[in-house]
Amino acid sequence: AQRVTQPEKLLSVFKGAPVELKCNYSYSGSPELFWYVQYSRQRLQLLLRHISRESIKGFTADLNKGETSFHLKKPFAQEEDSAMYYCALSGQNNNAGNMLTFGGGTRLMVKP
Amino acid sequence: DTGVSQNPRHKITKRGQNVTFRCDPISEHNRLYWYRQTLGQGPEFLTYFQNEAQLEKSRLLSDRFSAERPKGSFSTLEIQRTEQGDSAMYLCASSLLSRTMFFGSGTQLSVL
Repeated sequence: AQRVTQPEKLLSVFKGAPVELKCNYSYSGSPELFWYVQYSRQRLQLLLRHISRESIKGFTADLNKGETSFHLKKPFAQEEDSAMYYCALSGQNNNAGNMLTFGGGTRLMVKP
Repeated sequence: DTGVSQNPRHKITKRGQNVTFRCDPISEHNRLYWYRQTLGQGPEFLTYFQNEAQLEKSRLLSDRFSAERPKGSFSTLEIQRTEQGDSAMYLCASSLLSRTMFFGSGTQLSVL
């Protein structure tokens, strides 16, 4: 079974402070990990995926297979980063296409 | 708007009634997914279509739920004899093979 855990429901930081949103997963094979973001009154959208190894809007995430983690980081938070963030996993060995298993989400609030 | 379109945006129904939701994916996308999201939780996978074939169903999908994707284009999700526990946001997503999954804005169902 595959599972994604986001231990923090809410993370509140001041503008300019570093941000780390935690994500841990369990999966027996080689997963593909994603971060999705949902800004206020907008639809869920992809922020980044681990295979791309890219930085989007200043965010990065590194897959740590030893710790089964995929934490999302940004060195200097901006007010416009305030949103709901979901970590998601896609297993390679299932019959459900690239079905995603989501964590419970973390609400990031960046205060001025 | 060429994104994933879902109708209606909101549906209020009485317990025991049947409801049907529609999803129009991005036109060239051959994969279509339905998810359900309850308050404070991440989206949970319900079912998956590749073209017109329904290839996977979650055990969350009781026999009161049925989904179709005739001709591999739009999809419908029907819930028969609705229960209060069916109240949730129903999300549709589509992708081209295993590429990025795009989500619709969802249909918010309230069962009174």
